[in-house]
Amino acid sequence: DSGVTQTPKHLITATGQRVTLRCSPRSGDLSVYWYQQSLDQGLQFLIQYYNGEERAKGNILERFSAQQFPDLHSELNLSSLELGDSALYFCASSETGSGSYNEQFFGPGTRLTVL
Amino acid sequence: AQKVTQAQTEISVVEKEDVTLDCVYETRDTTYYLFWYKQPPSGELVFLIRRNSFDEQNEISGRYSWNFQKSTSSFNFTITASQVVDSAVYFCALSLYYGQNFVFGPGTRLSVLP
Repeated sequence: DSGVTQTPKHLITATGQRVTLRCSPRSGDLSVYWYQQSLDQGLQFLIQYYNGEERAKGNILERFSAQQFPDLHSELNLSSLELGDSALYFCASSETGSGSYNEQFFGPGTRLTVL
Repeated sequence: AQKVTQAQTEISVVEKEDVTLDCVYETRDTTYYLFWYKQPPSGELVFLIRRNSFDEQNEISGRYSWNFQKSTSSFNFTITASQVVDSAVYFCALSLYYGQNFVFGPGTRLSVLP
């Protein structure tokens, strides 16, 4: 158990809908990272927040957005969902803002299925 | 841009065999970090090792060992005396020192047969 929690574990929704994925980092970790794992794209970094502020952006679509709250939990919002958004979404956390220097601990993931 | 290649899509071995998973990376930066992660059938990602670009010393942890060769831009991972529990997808990843994101390879699916 990495100490990172993600809810829900599974999510099934329809095209065009909007969903919110939630992540609670390990106690004491200030950074949260979001990743998408799909069959065709593999594992891709989406976005990082550090202590409430956006720190780095990866291959995140404009239909997706994220935020980190004062209690350091993070939410990833996915809107106007398409079939291709079906994937496993991982959240990871690290102690500081440098995901390179500090180990990232991954949550169990949220599996999103868009029908 | 950074890139990580894991040429072996799938590998099958019989228990107790040694197996090496290859990882080749591309970056123009001189300072970077390399990682290996394991993703067992249960789906979670498990950190195995981090190596920075200044440390080419090989590392051994139990049955696991890593061979980092800057000259060939490779960071290979060897499992000695493989066990069924080693069956998983293994990802190699690269991150720049000042970068906050990771670039993952496509993964190698390892099946260890009893």
